[in-house]
Amino acid sequence: TQLLEQSPQFLSIQEGENLTVYCNSSSVFSSLQWYRQEPGEGPVLLVTVVTGGEVKKLKRLTFQFGDARKDSSLHITAAQPGDTGLYLCAGARQGGKLIFGQGTELSVKP
Amino acid sequence: GAGVSQSPSNKVTEKGKDVELRCDPISGHTALYWYRQRLGQGLEFLIYFQGNSAPDKSGLPSDRFSAERTGESVSTLTIQRTQQEDSAVYLCASSVARAFAGELFFGEGSRLTVL
Repeated sequence: TQLLEQSPQFLSIQEGENLTVYCNSSSVFSSLQWYRQEPGEGPVLLVTVVTGGEVKKLKRLTFQFGDARKDSSLHITAAQPGDTGLYLCAGARQGGKLIFGQGTELSVKP
Repeated sequence: GAGVSQSPSNKVTEKGKDVELRCDPISGHTALYWYRQRLGQGLEFLIYFQGNSAPDKSGLPSDRFSAERTGESVSTLTIQRTQQEDSAVYLCASSVARAFAGELFFGEGSRLTVL
């Protein structure tokens, strides 16, 4: 069974702080995606990583795919209140369904 | 519209009643997915359509749940004899690519409350 564990589940920080969210599994994935979901809306894709060791940057967000393609991290620098939301990682095996982690609820206070 | 459209946005029903949830995918998207999200949790896969066939329906929780899709268009998720544990947000997504490759575009979901 594919299982993605996200940590922490909840994170409440002050504006300007840095944070890292982790997504771990015992399974190898062909690709891993990160989504952000705001209340009352569907998840929106932030990034897809496909190569072990890959690092992608999206403004203040840095995404990394583990060398073994079993884990990933999302690092946010100088968090802003607009970063508040539910962050979801999702992994897929070749030809397999996309499995989501349980999410990390981030609250950034001004 | 330009995005995935779901209806109803909110549905309150009594235990034992049947409900139908509708999804209009983005035009031209061949793949369509249904996920369930319980309060404060991640997304639980239910079923995947490629065109009007369902290669993977392994996530449907019980035989009370069924789904169909007309061509590469509208899909309906039906829950018969609803139970309180069915209360959740049901999210539909579509994608251009086959079999979960590429970006999934999600609708805003249908929030189901079973009393």
